[in-house]
Amino acid sequence: EIVLTQSPGTLSLSPGERAALSCRASQSVGSSLAWYQHKPGQAPRLLIDGASNRATGIPDRFSGGGSGTDFTLTINSLEPEDFAIYFCQQYRIWRTFGRGTRVEI
Amino acid sequence: EVQVVGSGGDLVQPGGSLRLSCTVSGLTFSNHWMAWIRQAPGKGLEFVGNINQDESVKNYADSVQGRFTIYRDNAKKSLYLQMDSLRAEDTAVYHCATDVRGGSFEYWGQGAQVTVSS
Repeated sequence: EIVLTQSPGTLSLSPGERAALSCRASQSVGSSLAWYQHKPGQAPRLLIDGASNRATGIPDRFSGGGSGTDFTLTINSLEPEDFAIYFCQQYRIWRTFGRGTRVEI
Repeated sequence: EVQVVGSGGDLVQPGGSLRLSCTVSGLTFSNHWMAWIRQAPGKGLEFVGNINQDESVKNYADSVQGRFTIYRDNAKKSLYLQMDSLRAEDTAVYHCATDVRGGSFEYWGQGAQVTVSS
């Protein structure tokens, strides 16, 4: 099973700041990686697919990068609605998820 | 706007059964693979399984193989998860989602709580 390790566990930032979230895979997944945003009590939202492609309707302050085993989700100039949990998912072999990074004020 | 609405979560005893439902609107349901994903308390998300458009292909995680069955009714735009022989470790929030075949999950429901306890 491919294990995804996300860091940090929690990121404490202020509106307007930049967030950089990491997702590391236990073996190469190529570009087969997605990022999601999840707020408590709501449905998760797909942000990034194929490691760097924004999903439909996702603002351009969200960007994804990386390939192989190391990936980054960057959120430029945090908006109040961006404070949430972010998790990554690989689909190279089966599908597995990271444990998530909480972005808090 | 795409909406995915799940229902059917409940408290059930170990060894019992439960069926979850999920209704999708805002897209052509019959064109999409669908999936179930769950999150147990304090744990990460786990892909439970998926189903193709005409039910000819179904995939299951090893942890639920032989106990859970995924099926769908395209006329009702609905997805189902029949869960039998439930165990305490099946306690989780269960999400249904549209499945970009072999890839990511584009639209998710908000989740249904399943608790397996005596």
